[in-house]
Amino acid sequence: GEDVEQSLFLSVREGDSSVINCTYTDSSSTYLYWYKQEPGAGLQLLTYIFSNMDMKQDQRLTVLLNKKDKHLSLRIADTQTGDSAIYFCAESINAGNNRKLIWGLGTSLAVNP
Amino acid sequence: NAGVTQTPKFQVLKTGQSMTLQCAQDMNHNSMYWYRQDPGMGLRLIYYSASEGTTDKGEVPNGYNVSRLNKREFSLRLESAAPSQTSVYFCASRAHSSPPLHFGNGTRLTVT
Repeated sequence: GEDVEQSLFLSVREGDSSVINCTYTDSSSTYLYWYKQEPGAGLQLLTYIFSNMDMKQDQRLTVLLNKKDKHLSLRIADTQTGDSAIYFCAESINAGNNRKLIWGLGTSLAVNP
Repeated sequence: NAGVTQTPKFQVLKTGQSMTLQCAQDMNHNSMYWYRQDPGMGLRLIYYSASEGTTDKGEVPNGYNVSRLNKREFSLRLESAAPSQTSVYFCASRAHSSPPLHFGNGTRLTVT
């Protein structure tokens, strides 16, 4: 079936790198996304990667995709207290004439000063 | 450029009351979506509209109706609210040619 899994919690020290991991089951995914949700706010798109790419870098963010293992990761370099939030992984799969998004439950990142 | 705007931000209803959640986007997007977010359940799709004039059920449509009023606006109606509909509701939109969803800031609904 279609499933996206993430660990629920991650705690890091300010200035360290954070790595948030995600695994998915559907091999027909076209795009994979990372969204950030701060308390009381909506979901903000951080970055996304097309399924034929292995890596994407955007300033402090690095996304790695291992399609063979169906594993996606988000690395945040020099993590700051403002990075404390919930991070959602999602994959887009084709469902008939539309795309369907399968969401993970989110990883809560706590950044300690 | 406001993006996706949802109203109201907060609402408390009594069981059996009705209400409409409003959503508008100013990005000229074709597709619009309604999700609910519950602790431990993640995001679940209620309804979506792939283009103006069409609507389709998502994973959890029971107890809800939607209207795609025009290209900008997509409303979600609860005809007879139940405590199980206590949740945070998010509207999102997407351009036809661009994959990511853009989300509003949510409506926090409590049904007592």
